Amino acid sequence: DVKVTQSSRYLVKRTGEKVFLECVQDMDHENMFWYRQDPGLGLRLIYFSYDVKMKEKGDIPEGYSVSREKKERFSLILESASTNQTSMYLCASSLISSAGELFFGEGSRLTVL
Amino acid sequence: GNSVTQMEGPVTLSEEAFLTINCTYTATGYPSLFWYVQYPGEGLQLLLKATKADDKGSNKGFEATYRKETTSFHLEKGSVQVSDSAVYFCALKKGGSEKLVFGKGTKLTVNP
Repeated sequence: DVKVTQSSRYLVKRTGEKVFLECVQDMDHENMFWYRQDPGLGLRLIYFSYDVKMKEKGDIPEGYSVSREKKERFSLILESASTNQTSMYLCASSLISSAGELFFGEGSRLTVL
Repeated sequence: GNSVTQMEGPVTLSEEAFLTINCTYTATGYPSLFWYVQYPGEGLQLLLKATKADDKGSNKGFEATYRKETTSFHLEKGSVQVSDSAVYFCALKKGGSEKLVFGKGTKLTVNP
């Protein structure tokens, strides 16, 4: 089975802190994604990576950056966390040939105080 | 732009009731369409998909038919169970793109 593992299920950070959310997949998928899930807004794409060191902005990239130094790992970085970044963050991966089947991690719930 | 609109929730049903969750889309060309499900405390997982007009996706008793004429992909199940309680997301993928566009989700609660 494909496994997508997010390093932290729950985090509490303070405004202005630098936050790292880590995601690892074990199936050699080319594509990796970071989504943000908020009530009433559904899932919104933050960043997408289709290869090592390659990235593409999603719909809401402001305030976020990403890093993909190895194929299996995709990190989401909040350079200076703000309260409006309190949310559930979902990582996903897929094969280029998968015709849209994404495999999701369990999510990381971030609270910024 | 591409977008997905699904019915507002929450939806509450009794066990063995019939379920419909409406989904319509806006996209140029011929997107692929998906239903994902998120059980409590878990990430999303693919429930079913359809890649061209008139295709029917099915899984676990759920069905959805890709209707190009009405730009719809409504999710149905004839008899829901308590274990179907979850949030359901409709999504589309344009050809040539690896990215999915999701609807806002519909929370379903099934009572015994």
